[in-house]
Amino acid sequence: EIVLTQSPGTLSLSPGERATLSCRASQSVSSSYFSWYQQKPGQAPRLLIYSGSSRATGIPDRFSGSGFGTDFTLTISRLEPEDFAVYYCQQYGSSPLTFGGGTKVEIK
Amino acid sequence: QLQLQESGPGLVKPSETLSLACTVSGGSFTSSTYFWGWIRQPPGKGLECIGAISYRGGTYYNPSLQSRVSMSVDTSRNQFSLRLSSVTAADTAVYYCARMWLTTNCFDYWGQGTLVTVSS
Repeated sequence: EIVLTQSPGTLSLSPGERATLSCRASQSVSSSYFSWYQQKPGQAPRLLIYSGSSRATGIPDRFSGSGFGTDFTLTISRLEPEDFAVYYCQQYGSSPLTFGGGTKVEIK
Repeated sequence: QLQLQESGPGLVKPSETLSLACTVSGGSFTSSTYFWGWIRQPPGKGLECIGAISYRGGTYYNPSLQSRVSMSVDTSRNQFSLRLSSVTAADTAVYYCARMWLTTNCFDYWGQGTLVTVSS
């Protein structure tokens, strides 16, 4: 099973700052099958990034994904108030499908 | 706009079987491009994929839950279902249904989720 480890666990930043979230895989993952989600309290997760770097429909361009192999990054270029949430990475290049433990982006 | 809606009991007794259904509207249910999945999230914790099913009935189950999980589809009702047997308190979670886009193996549309509590 591929374990996805997200860091940091919590990121405390101010609106307008840049956020860099990391997801490290225990084995190499095809970027074609690597995704990022955003989840706000009381809501379902929302797809942000698929195939490692492609933004889902309606996702602002301040969100970007990058990486390959075992190291993947989600970057939010300038945090807006609505971006404070929990972010999860996910892979299904190898069974079983797994999620990372999440990174909480909170207001500093 | 595609919509998914979970339904089922919010309370299940230990050792019994949890049963949920997901109704899909606003889009094609019988496309080979997608599977239909179940993901759960214990209170305050992360996400776990339970499995997924195609409209033809092909399934993927998480190996950690495979012995207790079964899924089915009803194309006449645009609905798919989850059954999880022998539940314990550890199965208490918000259960989401979602569409899995097979080209990228991600979940691109989600239901709002339903809390299922396992308690006597």
